[in-house]
Amino acid sequence: GQNIDQPTEMTATEGAIVQINCTYQTSGFNGLFWYQQHAGEAPTFLSYNVLDGLEEKGRFSSFLSRSKGYSYLLLKELQMKDSASYLCAVPNDYKLSFGAGTTVTVRA
Amino acid sequence: DAGITQSPRYKITETGRQVTLMCHQTWSHSYMFWYRQDLGHGLRLIYYSAAADITDKGEVPDGYVVSRSKTENFPLTLESATRSQTSVYFCASTARGGYNEQFFGPGTRLTVL
Repeated sequence: GQNIDQPTEMTATEGAIVQINCTYQTSGFNGLFWYQQHAGEAPTFLSYNVLDGLEEKGRFSSFLSRSKGYSYLLLKELQMKDSASYLCAVPNDYKLSFGAGTTVTVRA
Repeated sequence: DAGITQSPRYKITETGRQVTLMCHQTWSHSYMFWYRQDLGHGLRLIYYSAAADITDKGEVPDGYVVSRSKTENFPLTLESATRSQTSVYFCASTARGGYNEQFFGPGTRLTVL
C-alpha cells in the first residue's frame, strides 16, 4: 500500500518561493504526480516525475528522489493565483493514492 | 460538451434515500474513477473501472454501487444515504491508467440531512 505525507498548510508572500514536501512509502514505485486544486474546483495536473532529479515547468518545478521516498514541488515568484491546495499522488497499478494535500496561502 | 462532466453539481437529500451521481466523458477513456474529498482526508478512491462492464472497489466502497454499461458513463449510486456520505464527489478518467494524468470532473457537492 501507500503512505503519503505532506504538510497541511503553508503561507508565503507574493513574489517569494515555497517548497512543498511529500514523502511516501510504497510497495512498488511508478512515479509521482502533483496536482493543483483551487478552492471549490477540481484538481488539475501539474507534473509527473518518474526519474530522479528536478523537472522545471515555468515557475513550477518538481523534484524526485526515489531512494529517499521524497518529492517536492517548488513554486517560484509566487502570485496570488497560486493560493490553492497541492496534492501529491502515487500510482498503484492504474489507480492513484493521494496525500491529504497542502494548502498554500499567498499573502500580498 | 467535450471533456468530463458531472451531474448534479449540488444535491441535498435525506438519510435513507437513494441518490445517483452521474459522470460522463467524451474522450473514450478506458479508465474511470470515483473519489470523495473530505477535510483532512484528501481524495479517497471509492470505485474504479478499467473498461465497460469492469469495475472494482477502491479504498472506501461501503454504501456505494457503480455500473459501467457504456465506456462514456460511470454512475455512482448511494443506495441508502447516510450523513457520513456528505462530501464532495469527483469523477475522473484517464486513457491508460495510473501512469497517465487523470482528468477530473467539476465535482458534485452532496449534503445528506
